[in-house]
Amino acid sequence: ETGVTQTPRHLVMGMTNKKSLKCEQHLGHNAMYWYKQSAKKPLELMFVYNFKEQTENNSVPSRFSPECPNSSHLFLHLHTLQPEDSALYLCASSQDGGENYGYTFGSGTRLTVV
Amino acid sequence: QKEVEQDPGPLSVPEGAIVSLNCTYSNSAFQYFMWYRQYSRKGPELLMYTYSSGNKEDGRFTAQVDKSSKYISLFIRDSQPSDSATYLCAMSGNNAGNMLTFGGGTRLMVKP
Repeated sequence: ETGVTQTPRHLVMGMTNKKSLKCEQHLGHNAMYWYKQSAKKPLELMFVYNFKEQTENNSVPSRFSPECPNSSHLFLHLHTLQPEDSALYLCASSQDGGENYGYTFGSGTRLTVV
Repeated sequence: QKEVEQDPGPLSVPEGAIVSLNCTYSNSAFQYFMWYRQYSRKGPELLMYTYSSGNKEDGRFTAQVDKSSKYISLFIRDSQPSDSATYLCAMSGNNAGNMLTFGGGTRLMVKP
């Protein structure tokens, strides 16, 4: 484990379902991120939270709804998804301010929308 | 033009070869440069980190940054089948908080 834990590891859901992805970081970081990684495409930034406040929403459809109740936990609520939303969803955290040492990623949730 | 360009590969090499992975970028404000390694069905893990120009060596891995050419490289010596993965470059500037800009990744295959 990297210090960033994502659950579930795999998720299959129908287009009418509602589900949530969970991310927890044990590193004391103050920034958390959601990324989408589709096959043969670059990482796509979805949301950024800094000190629990959302600072970036990268034109993500409203069927994706983030929640950050505290600086250690991040959720991504999913509803009425489309098959093209099938991808690996990665959570990451970092310590904002000072020197940039990069992100620590979780192992991701492999989402399949049927 | 993408802010960070990276050849997607795949790059296939025999075991023991020296591997060179590269990224070019357009934003002269970038100061922090990183390489991530991502195994199949896993999240990316930080492999190398450099600040500004110069070289950094860690075991079989060497990261080079040439800011004048806006070009960074990762060299892998004595490549092993376990090095087979996708390698992503990432970078950021002082005025972007900790926001990283990623390349698209290069898939490397090291054949025994």
